[in-house]
Amino acid sequence: AQSVTQPDIHITVSEGASLELRCNYSYGATPYLFWYVQSPGQGLQLLLKYFSGDTLVQGIKGFEAEFKRSQSSFNLRKPSVHWSDAAEYFCAVGAGSGGYQKVTFGTGTKLQVIP
Amino acid sequence: SQTIHQWPATLVQPVGSPLSLECTVEGTSNPNLYWYRQAAGRGLQLLFYSVGIGQISSEVPQNLSASRPQDRQFILSSKKLLLSDSGFYLCAWTNLGGGIYEQYFGPGTRLTVT
Repeated sequence: AQSVTQPDIHITVSEGASLELRCNYSYGATPYLFWYVQSPGQGLQLLLKYFSGDTLVQGIKGFEAEFKRSQSSFNLRKPSVHWSDAAEYFCAVGAGSGGYQKVTFGTGTKLQVIP
Repeated sequence: SQTIHQWPATLVQPVGSPLSLECTVEGTSNPNLYWYRQAAGRGLQLLFYSVGIGQISSEVPQNLSASRPQDRQFILSSKKLLLSDSGFYLCAWTNLGGGIYEQYFGPGTRLTVT
């Protein structure tokens, strides 16, 4: 069974600073990997996804993530954080066959942006 | 384009009362549908998933049940709510037939059991 670990529960960065959110996964084969963002009281919005190919993937809102198989990681990055990026971020790993896909989510990292 | 709706947006119910949360998807056919619960400060817990009409699988034993009476409708129910049922309930869909594996989420329902 797959699993996801987000080691940082809460991160605070200054506006304009760079950001890296960590994500480690456990899965026997090549995983499907996702990053989602959730604003308070809202549903989850997909930021980016990795299925195969180029290990550096670009997403919406200026985010990118890099898949590193050797480290079982899929860290999310942004070169310059904006105040509107304050939210909770979830890493997820998907696996499945036969018409069903199960996605396992990490426990989330809450991002605070200070001016 | 596809959209997903959930209602109600918020709900306050007494312990022991019944529950019905509804999720509908527009703009796609034969989606896989999912119910998650998100407790305060925790990640998402998968409750149920459905790959077709009338086909429901439960991930964890609990006080809740799910039904899929139509292709794009997914309902979460309970006969008698418990305090521990409080949380944020999210519905999601994916369409494997189209080669799309990411899940798309609805806006959620905030349930408070008093």
